Amino acid sequence: DGGITQSPKYLFRKEGQNVTLSCEQNLNHDAMYWYRQDPGQGLRLIYYSQIVNDFQKGDIAEGYSVSREKKESFPLTVTSAQKNPTAFYLCASSIAGGFYGPYEQYFGPGTRLTVT
Amino acid sequence: AQSVTQPDIHITVSEGASLELRCNYSYGATPYLFWYVQSPGQGLQLLLKYFSGDTLVQGIKGFEAEFKRSQSSFNLRKPSVHWSDAAEYFCAVEGSGDKLTFGTGTRLAVRP
Repeated sequence: DGGITQSPKYLFRKEGQNVTLSCEQNLNHDAMYWYRQDPGQGLRLIYYSQIVNDFQKGDIAEGYSVSREKKESFPLTVTSAQKNPTAFYLCASSIAGGFYGPYEQYFGPGTRLTVT
Repeated sequence: AQSVTQPDIHITVSEGASLELRCNYSYGATPYLFWYVQSPGQGLQLLLKYFSGDTLVQGIKGFEAEFKRSQSSFNLRKPSVHWSDAAEYFCAVEGSGDKLTFGTGTRLAVRP
């Protein structure tokens, strides 16, 4: 079954700790995305990557970092610099980014991060 | 920069009644438009999309949407709502670099 997996479903961390959220896809998609969802605010783009070893900041990248060393993986690190990290984080992918669009994005099940 | 407005935060309809969820967008070029649905604590599922051509698009689960360029709207409709349609619905517009801009969502409740 092709799809996007995010693990874990729920994550708890103490304030001041960095935490890495996993996102893996077996859809052979080139582009991957990270969104943050807060109640009443819709989804906001954190980072996106259109090809391996390349990524760009989205609208709310401060306090986050990513890597894209493999086509199927796009982990997101929430650093201690992120002032309000508690949120629902969604990963998505699409066939190709940038010049070949448009293509719909497929979403993973999300990770709920709670920082106390 | 593109933007999306979903003016209704919360809508309640009776099971079997018709449904229309509003979406207005702002984008300078030809918009690529999407409707997604999200059940509580889950990811988003694509209902339908508009890229070009026929302005009335059909989606999954009996949903349809109509693109009206003159009104900058892309409203989602369903003729008869089922209890399982209760969820949150997001409209989105795709801008440059395949980046999606989402509305703030409309939460649908279905009255038995």
